[in-house]
Amino acid sequence: KQEVTQIPAALSVPEGENLVLNCSFTDSAIYNLQWFRQDPGKGLTSLLLIQSSQREQTSGRLNASLDKSSGRSTLYIAASQPGDSATYLCAVPLTTDSWGKLQFGAGTQVVVTP
Amino acid sequence: DTAVSQTPKYLVTQMGNDKSIKCEQNLGHDTMYWYKQDSKKFLKIMFSYNNKELIINETVPNRFSPKSPDKAHLNLHINSLELGDSAVYFCASSPDRGGNTEAFFGQGTRLTVV
Repeated sequence: KQEVTQIPAALSVPEGENLVLNCSFTDSAIYNLQWFRQDPGKGLTSLLLIQSSQREQTSGRLNASLDKSSGRSTLYIAASQPGDSATYLCAVPLTTDSWGKLQFGAGTQVVVTP
Repeated sequence: DTAVSQTPKYLVTQMGNDKSIKCEQNLGHDTMYWYKQDSKKFLKIMFSYNNKELIINETVPNRFSPKSPDKAHLNLHINSLELGDSAVYFCASSPDRGGNTEAFFGQGTRLTVV
């Protein structure tokens, strides 16, 4: 059974500092890994999708790495801004079927202080 | 344009009532999902629906039933609501059921059972 863990559960940094968010998964037979952002009272916004064949994916200030063999992904956010404050979730498709259902981590709550 | 939309955004109802949450996607996707986010903010898959095939997560009570009038809609019906059903429910969609494509989420419906 796939399990997804995110560490730390919460993170507070001053504006301008780089953010490093970690995600680990127990079963390395994944199709992809997706990072989401959730703002309070809002839905999930997809940030990056990194395929199993990729080691890295970049979008603006965001960079996600994937190491399947060790079951880890890291999301880097460069030069953090107060607007980056949100909960960040990682998710992988369940490996027991091909229906694209996602297994989520519990999330990392990020606060960027001005 | 909203890709995945849910209505209502908030729903407050009494125990024992029957309620529905509507979901529509305008992305032309083949697969739709319902997820539940509990009070601890943990997201769990409830259903996957693809081309009239329904995959039910075995932990979901049979009081919950998804209904799809067409490919763009997947509504969630809940009978005999219980206090423990209070949560945020998210609809999502993806291009196919293969598990290798990006998922898009709606804004969520906060259900409160009193």
